[in-house]
Amino acid sequence: KAGVTQTPRYLIKTRGQQVTLSCSPISGHRSVSWYQQTPGQGLQFLFEYFSETQRNKGNFPGRFSGRQFSNSRSEMNVSTLELGDSALYLCASRSSTSSTSDTQYFGPGTRLTVL
Amino acid sequence: GQNIDQPTEMTATEGAIVQINCTYQTSGFNGLFWYQQHAGEAPTFLSYNVLDGLEEKGRFSSFLSRSKGYSYLLLKELQMKDSASYLCAAVSYNTDKLIFGTGTRLQVFP
Repeated sequence: KAGVTQTPRYLIKTRGQQVTLSCSPISGHRSVSWYQQTPGQGLQFLFEYFSETQRNKGNFPGRFSGRQFSNSRSEMNVSTLELGDSALYLCASRSSTSSTSDTQYFGPGTRLTVL
Repeated sequence: GQNIDQPTEMTATEGAIVQINCTYQTSGFNGLFWYQQHAGEAPTFLSYNVLDGLEEKGRFSSFLSRSKGYSYLLLKELQMKDSASYLCAAVSYNTDKLIFGTGTRLQVFP
């Protein structure tokens, strides 16, 4: 079974631009979560989607948004990029929405650099 | 509130034993995860504890004390490939979100 895939793997943008990242979950997994990882803050939860609906949201500004398609693939969008948005963006999938019974499987991440 | 603390860096020698500690303050605590992340790679699941006690999986064991808000990951017979970051994450039944610590970077030397 193929793992979680993310595209692109690396991205360089300039301040003020917008970016869209893509995540394809493991086949059969309907929940997709997004995280931002930086050296100082560690992994921080952005949001979770299940069956095309946002189920949970972290404490990020409205510039960060996402969506999920009927095939469970998810996209994350960041508008008006800031230097502080430079980070590794990780996507994780699981079969249901229960953290306590389903393990999250992470993708390799998209490394975003904002210049 | 939610808070997870773990040491930033640790070093150990090949063949030795190392214990990585994690303390947490999570309202509605409902379990603790450990993940391993090699540089440039995705985090991979190591263990999940919800009840007090020690869970052993080969060379890796994880311990939880709910009353103390404390967990540790024990790595035995260290190998060079164990050099990685180890992430501790608590889950709350209030939010069902994983709250991660900043990770402990372990370096294993020959």
